[in-house]
Order: sequence, then structure tokens, then C-alpha cells
Amino acid sequence: AQSVAQPEDQVKVAEGNPLTVKCTYSVSGNPYLFWYVQYPNRGLQFLLKYITGDNLVKGSYGFEAEFNKSQTSFHLKKPSALVSDSALYFCAVRDFRTNAGKSTFGDGTTLTVKP
Amino acid sequence: DVKVTQSSRYLVKRTGEKVFLECVQDMDHENMFWYRQDPGLGLRLIYFSYDVKMKEKGDIPEGYSVSREKKERFSLILESASTNQTSMYLCASSPTGQGFNSPLHFGNGTRLTVT
Repeated sequence: AQSVAQPEDQVKVAEGNPLTVKCTYSVSGNPYLFWYVQYPNRGLQFLLKYITGDNLVKGSYGFEAEFNKSQTSFHLKKPSALVSDSALYFCAVRDFRTNAGKSTFGDGTTLTVKP
Repeated sequence: DVKVTQSSRYLVKRTGEKVFLECVQDMDHENMFWYRQDPGLGLRLIYFSYDVKMKEKGDIPEGYSVSREKKERFSLILESASTNQTSMYLCASSPTGQGFNSPLHFGNGTRLTVT
């Protein structure tokens, strides 16, 4: 069975500093990895994905993520955080072998960016 | 633009009631999903569907059922609501094309309180 771990419940950074939100995964075969963001009282919004190709993928709002196969990690990064980046972030892995391509989500990491 | 609409943002029901949560997508997606979101537990998959009238259990199906009579609509049914079903419910959809490398598109959620 596939699984995703987000080891930090909370991450706090100062505005303008770089941020990292960590994610590790466990799958059989090649992983389809995704990051989503959730703002208060809203559904999840897609940020970026890794399917194949370059290990560094770029997404929405200046976010990027680095895929590391040997460490089974897919950490979300941003060079300079904004207060508006404060939100709940979810890492997910999609199982393309199943009907509908089930997604398994981590427990989420709350990012707080302080002015 | 892609749109997933959940019929109610907030819902309050009594223990033992039969509850219907409705979700409609306008993107002609084959796959639809129901998740519940609880603090510290991330998103947990209740049921999913990969075609009209086709459905499969997710990780926590007990106490729930689903209906998909039309491609655009996926309903979650709480047969007899209980207080432990108080939660945020999120509907999502995605296409099958390209081998499930597309992200999920989420509705804004229904916050259900069972008293």
C-alpha cells in the first residue's frame, strides 16, 4: 500500500526567508506525486506535480519541489516566503494502477509566514 | 475553468437522520471522489467512482454509501448520521486520460455537524 508522511505539523518562517515543507512517500513502482494548498474554508488547490523527468519541478505562486528517489522525498520549497503563503499544505501520491487513480494524502502541514 | 460544486457549505443534522451530500462537476471527468477531512488526520478516502454506476470503497466506507447515476453528479449518503461523522467533507474529480497524471479538482467542502 502506498503512503505519504509529512513529518512536521507546523512550519513557521519569516517573510522573505526561504521555506521548506517536507514530504516522504512509500509506493510500489514509480510515484505520481502532488502538492496541494488549502486556504481557510476552501477546498484544496493544485500547486505542482512530479510524474517523470527533471527532479526539480516548478508550480504555481513561485513554489517548486524537489523529487529525490533515493530518499523517497518530495519537499516543497519557495525561495522567498510571503505572508499570503500561510495556509495548510498537503502532499499526495496517486496510484495509477487502481481504478480512478486513488490519491493518498499526508496529514498536512500548516505553514505560517510572519511579517 | 474547472468547477466542482458541493451543494451545501454548512449542514447541521440530528443523530439518526439520513443525510445526502451532493457534488456536481462540469468537466466531464470520469473519476469522482469523496474524502473527509479531520484535524491531524489529513484527508481520508470514503468512496470513489470511475464511471457512471461504478463505485468502490475507499479507506473508511463504514456508515456511508454513494450514488452515481449521471456522470457529472456524485452523491454521498450517510445512512444514519452519528456524531462521529461530524467533519468536513470534500468532493473531487479528475479525468482518466494520460494515465492519472492529472491533479484532483476539489469543491469547497461541506462542513457537516451531527448533533
